[in-house]
Amino acid sequence: GDSVTQMEGPVTLSEEAFLTINCTYTATGYPSLFWYVQYPGEGLQLLLKATKADDKGSNKGFEATYRKETTSFHLEKGSVQVSDSAVYFCALSNTGNQFYFGTGTSLTVIP
Amino acid sequence: DVKVTQSSRYLVKRTGEKVFLECVQDMDHENMFWYRQDPGLGLRLIYFSYDVKMKEKGDIPEGYSVSREKKERFSLILESASTNQTSMYLCASMDRPRQPQHFGDGTRLSIL
Repeated sequence: GDSVTQMEGPVTLSEEAFLTINCTYTATGYPSLFWYVQYPGEGLQLLLKATKADDKGSNKGFEATYRKETTSFHLEKGSVQVSDSAVYFCALSNTGNQFYFGTGTSLTVIP
Repeated sequence: DVKVTQSSRYLVKRTGEKVFLECVQDMDHENMFWYRQDPGLGLRLIYFSYDVKMKEKGDIPEGYSVSREKKERFSLILESASTNQTSMYLCASMDRPRQPQHFGDGTRLSIL
């Protein structure tokens, strides 16, 4: 069945460091892929999405490219800020109604 | 923007009580979902609904039921609350497959 595997955390970075959070998926056909962010005590917010191979989703300096050949959708940001400290979830949606989420990666950015 | 509103941010109830968690969305979405989120366990699907009065069990439906009498409202019911149901509960809605899910702010429920 469909699934998402996400890099284990927690991740701790210094401000202005480069961020990569790895995400790979298993799915038949052509799923849509998403990254969500969850700040402490809040619900999940959509960060970016990609709906087909080679699409690049981007928002707030974060980027992820839908790579069908490697079944990956890694999240990157060139220079993280303290305000980026949160939990990040990779997710997949295919032809059915369900979503498949990764286990989440906690990011802490220190000044 | 899609708005998903959960009725309470924090809720404290007693063991054995019947508990109702309410969720309303304003975008006429067909699909609505209830998850619980616990440290180290990620998001786990309790129930989802793909239409009014229609529901499907998720991964952990035991001890819960749901109600969807109107398209915009999806209620989660704890029939007889137990301490192991203390958790963060998240509601989401989705227009159709391959579209994003939109989440409410969550309800942090404590069962004493």
